[in-house]
Amino acid sequence: TQLLEQSPQFLSIQEGENLTVYCNSSSVFSSLQWYRQEPGEGPVLLVTVVTGGEVKKLKRLTFQFGDARKDSSLHITAAQPGDTGLYLCAGYLIQGAQKLVFGQGTRLTINP
Amino acid sequence: GAGVSQSPSNKVTEKGKDVELRCDPISGHTALYWYRQSLGQGLEFLIYFQGNSAPDKSGLPSDRFSAERTGGSVSTLTIQRTQQEDSAVYLCASSPQLGGNSPLHFGNGTRLTVT
Repeated sequence: TQLLEQSPQFLSIQEGENLTVYCNSSSVFSSLQWYRQEPGEGPVLLVTVVTGGEVKKLKRLTFQFGDARKDSSLHITAAQPGDTGLYLCAGYLIQGAQKLVFGQGTRLTINP
Repeated sequence: GAGVSQSPSNKVTEKGKDVELRCDPISGHTALYWYRQSLGQGLEFLIYFQGNSAPDKSGLPSDRFSAERTGGSVSTLTIQRTQQEDSAVYLCASSPQLGGNSPLHFGNGTRLTVT
């Protein structure tokens, strides 16, 4: 059973479209992080959200942490081919907070 | 560069052989993590170190897997009697502190192929 469920697992859209990726759990997290991974490289941190209801923006990317701190979303506006990659959500549980648990990832492809 | 370094980047081994994977974390980072990633999927937690100590080994898939860290720095992940299902990318990450919402800094991984 996956502690963090990401959806969709695969998404292919045209340049200029908007999209949202979801990260859901039945467990409460002290924080959630989003990483992006390119082929042949390790994941790179995009953002950390800590407070329930928090919204953070990174250029065309908007991240939200659910009020109950059980879920998060990543919204991309006007997607570009450079946004292509594997997006991973990860969280520190309230209990057992020493290890970062990951979702299964969303593979995003933006077509020119 | 001052990033996390992993070696080798690729390893092909025959079933039944032992392999050793190495991780050099960012200098001064006390926390070190090992994850396994299959076929571009999510990351499966294996083990973490606080200094040289590994308080939680529950993620290691079997007793063929072991890991150690020396001098609060370099870590090695050893897989004995490799099996084909061990084929994956093994990622190492370090962090300034354990937990505390700290971000992880990843290396580029070791791609292990067991034939």
